[in-house]
Amino acid sequence: QQQVKQSPQSLIVQKGGISIINCAYENTAFDYFPWYQQFPGKGPALLIAIRPDVSEKKEGRFTISFNKSAKQFSLHIMDSQPGDSATYFCAATYSGAGSYQLTFGKGTKLSVIP
Amino acid sequence: KAGVTQTPRYLIKTRGQQVTLSCSPISGHRSVSWYQQTPGQGLQFLFEYFSETQRNKGNFPGRFSGRQFSNSRSEMNVSTLELGDSALYLCASSSRGQSLPAGELFFGEGSRLTVL
Repeated sequence: QQQVKQSPQSLIVQKGGISIINCAYENTAFDYFPWYQQFPGKGPALLIAIRPDVSEKKEGRFTISFNKSAKQFSLHIMDSQPGDSATYFCAATYSGAGSYQLTFGKGTKLSVIP
Repeated sequence: KAGVTQTPRYLIKTRGQQVTLSCSPISGHRSVSWYQQTPGQGLQFLFEYFSETQRNKGNFPGRFSGRQFSNSRSEMNVSTLELGDSALYLCASSSRGQSLPAGELFFGEGSRLTVL
């Protein structure tokens, strides 16, 4: 059972445009939602994260929007640049049991074209 | 500060063989997690170790095992390899129990295993 569903699978955006990636989760116990960015040949790296007590978090050009009632969250990349071309993974975890297990979405391959 | 180091980076095995992968976490990190990454299934949690104890295990068969040493270095082993075990195996470390939230993992570049 896939607990975190991510869409789209791939995304092509013009330079300067807005990239939007969506995720939905099922487990209401999740209380931490990070986004990871992965370049080819590299491991994933934490990009930005949010807790369900806030509806939005912004760091530079990256913004997470969170809708707790809908169990959905999304990543917005403003002014997308070719250097943003990578695979993006949303993830979720719950810290109550002291677990460091992340449940990942299946990823979105973003291509930003000049 | 050195990042997470995984060895070997690439390896080729044949069905039925076994493989051991190694991970050195970031200095001071005591939690090490392992993930399997494949194109079809994405990133899937294998297990997590903290202070030499397995804290959590994903839904993988018993052929997948791991351990952690007193210096926090970790190894994972896959026995009786199958074609479907071909994947990128990622190790991640975290300073569990300190200020970082549970989801802030630092990943290595992975060990790419090909099973023929």
